Amino acid sequence: AQSVTQLDSHVSVSEGTPVLLRCNYSSSYSPSLFWYVQHPNKGLQLLLKYTSAATLVKGINGFEAEFKKSETSFHLTKPSAHMSDAAEYFCVVRDFTGGGNKLTFGTGTQLKVEL
Amino acid sequence: DGGITQSPKYLFRKEGQNVTLSCEQNLNHDAMYWYRQDPGQGLRLIYYSQIVNDFQKGDIAEGYSVSREKKESFPLTVTSAQKNPTAFYLCASSRTGGEIFNEQFFGPGTRLTVL
Repeated sequence: AQSVTQLDSHVSVSEGTPVLLRCNYSSSYSPSLFWYVQHPNKGLQLLLKYTSAATLVKGINGFEAEFKKSETSFHLTKPSAHMSDAAEYFCVVRDFTGGGNKLTFGTGTQLKVEL
Repeated sequence: DGGITQSPKYLFRKEGQNVTLSCEQNLNHDAMYWYRQDPGQGLRLIYYSQIVNDFQKGDIAEGYSVSREKKESFPLTVTSAQKNPTAFYLCASSRTGGEIFNEQFFGPGTRLTVL
């Protein structure tokens, strides 16, 4: 079975400083991995996805993530945080059982951006 | 204006009552999903449907029921058998297509509170 572990439940950064949100995965297959973002009381939006092409994946709003098979990691980064980045971020793995498009979510990382 | 709508945004229910959450999409997607979100637990899959008149249980289907009579609609009923129904409920939809990952698009959610 596939699973993801988000290593930090809360991360706090200052505006203009780098962001690092950590995610480790476990998968029997070559995984498909994603990051979603959720602003308060809203639905989720796809930030970026890795599906076995380039290991460095660029997403929306300046975010990117690097797939590292040797470390089983898929950390999300951004060079410079903005106040609007404050949200909850979910690392997600595609579940290949039962049809191919089911997703397994991590428990989320709440990102706080301070002035 | 394409997208997914969920109604109502907030819903209050007395213990012992069934309640139905609405989800409608005009994206012409074949697949639809219902997730439950609790603080610190990420999203968990309740039910999903890959085609009209067919649906499958997800990881936490007990106490819930669904129907898929129309492509654009996938209502979720929270029954009195659900022991802890207070949560944020998210509906999603996607295309289907074998090995290709099809992005899931999320609605804005319904917050259900049991009084």
